[in-house]
Amino acid sequence: GNSVTQMEGPVTLSEEAFLTINCTYTATGYPSLFWYVQYPGEGLQLLLKATKADDKGSNKGFEATYRKETTSFHLEKGSVQVSDSAVYFCALRSRSNDYKLSFGAGTTVTVRA
Amino acid sequence: KAGVTQTPRYLIKTRGQQVTLSCSPISGHRSVSWYQQTPGQGLQFLFEYFSETQRNKGNFPGRFSGRQFSNSRSEMNVSTLELGDSALYLCASSARLAGNSYEQYFGPGTRLTVT
Repeated sequence: GNSVTQMEGPVTLSEEAFLTINCTYTATGYPSLFWYVQYPGEGLQLLLKATKADDKGSNKGFEATYRKETTSFHLEKGSVQVSDSAVYFCALRSRSNDYKLSFGAGTTVTVRA
Repeated sequence: KAGVTQTPRYLIKTRGQQVTLSCSPISGHRSVSWYQQTPGQGLQFLFEYFSETQRNKGNFPGRFSGRQFSNSRSEMNVSTLELGDSALYLCASSARLAGNSYEQYFGPGTRLTVT
């Protein structure tokens, strides 16, 4: 079945540091890949997505590239801010799983001023 | 355009009781999905409704049920509550049912605590 593996947190960074959160997946067929962000006390917000191999999703300075050869979708941001402190979830959806979203465990990121 | 709304935001119940949570999707959205979020199990899919029909179901016991009304609003019900049902229940809506790339928009969730 489908599964998503994220690097474990928590991750603590200083402002303006470079952030990488690793995400790898297992799925049959051609899944779509997503990154969601959850700020304290809130629901999930879609951060970015990619629907086919080599697609790059980007939003708010975050980027992730769909790498089919390595089954990865790593999230990166070049210069983080305190406001980026949140929990980040990698997720996938595929036809083989009836389009249900499968989430990774989440990575807690804390950015210190 | 208003986002997904969930009521109530917080709920405290006792073991053995039942609870009903409500979700109002974004106007025009016909698909509503429910997820359970716990520290131990993470985010798990409960079920999805489209046009008042359950189209997909996760691996949860029959105590968890749901329904969708003609205006696309959805409710989920948990009967005979257990301590392990304490969680954040998230609702997500989308315009379409099928397809890899359609986006789901999440509500703020209902925090259920079972004592």
